[in-house]
Amino acid sequence: ELKVEQNPLFLSMQEGKNYTIYCNYSTTSDRLYWYRQDPGKSLESLFVLLSNGAVKQEGRLMASLDTKARLSTLHITAAVHDLSATYFCAGSGGGADGLTFGKGTHLIIQP
Amino acid sequence: DAGVTQSPTHLIKTRGQQVTLRCSPKSGHDTVSWYQQALGQGPQFIFQYYEEEERQRGNFPDRFSGHQFPNYSSELNVNALLLGDSALYLCASTRSRVTEAFFGQGTRLTVV
Repeated sequence: ELKVEQNPLFLSMQEGKNYTIYCNYSTTSDRLYWYRQDPGKSLESLFVLLSNGAVKQEGRLMASLDTKARLSTLHITAAVHDLSATYFCAGSGGGADGLTFGKGTHLIIQP
Repeated sequence: DAGVTQSPTHLIKTRGQQVTLRCSPKSGHDTVSWYQQALGQGPQFIFQYYEEEERQRGNFPDRFSGHQFPNYSSELNVNALLLGDSALYLCASTRSRVTEAFFGQGTRLTVV
């Protein structure tokens, strides 16, 4: 059974700073997702990572995947207030299509 | 493209009642998955429907059942509601196993 752990679960940071959210998973996952959720809203897809060494970037966010370490990271560069949200990583376990989510990282970016 | 649409957006039910939630997948998608997200938690996989059959199921009791119609839309039914069923119910659609999952806006269910 796939288990996904994120850390930190809560992060308060100042605008302009850099930080990384970590996502560890327990067994083989054929793909790794990052989602953003604003309060009371649904999940917005940010990245899908399919292979070892995959790196994707969109604006101030960059995601990477190391399948050997079973680790994905979401790096935030020069944070701005609009990036305040909860970020989830999710894996798709071997042969299974349902996603297993981490508990989420609640990110607050202060001016 | 309307994306994934869910109805209703909010619902209040009494303990013991039954509820039906509805989902229309994104155009071109044939697979629908349902998730339950309790407040402050990550979504939890309930089940997935493909070709009108339940293909996979998470760790949820039989009170949770579903259906998929020939047009790929889907329903989630919950019987004998408990207070603990209060949550945001999210529907996600994909095209078989190829594409990433797109989520609807969710149905906020409150059981009183």
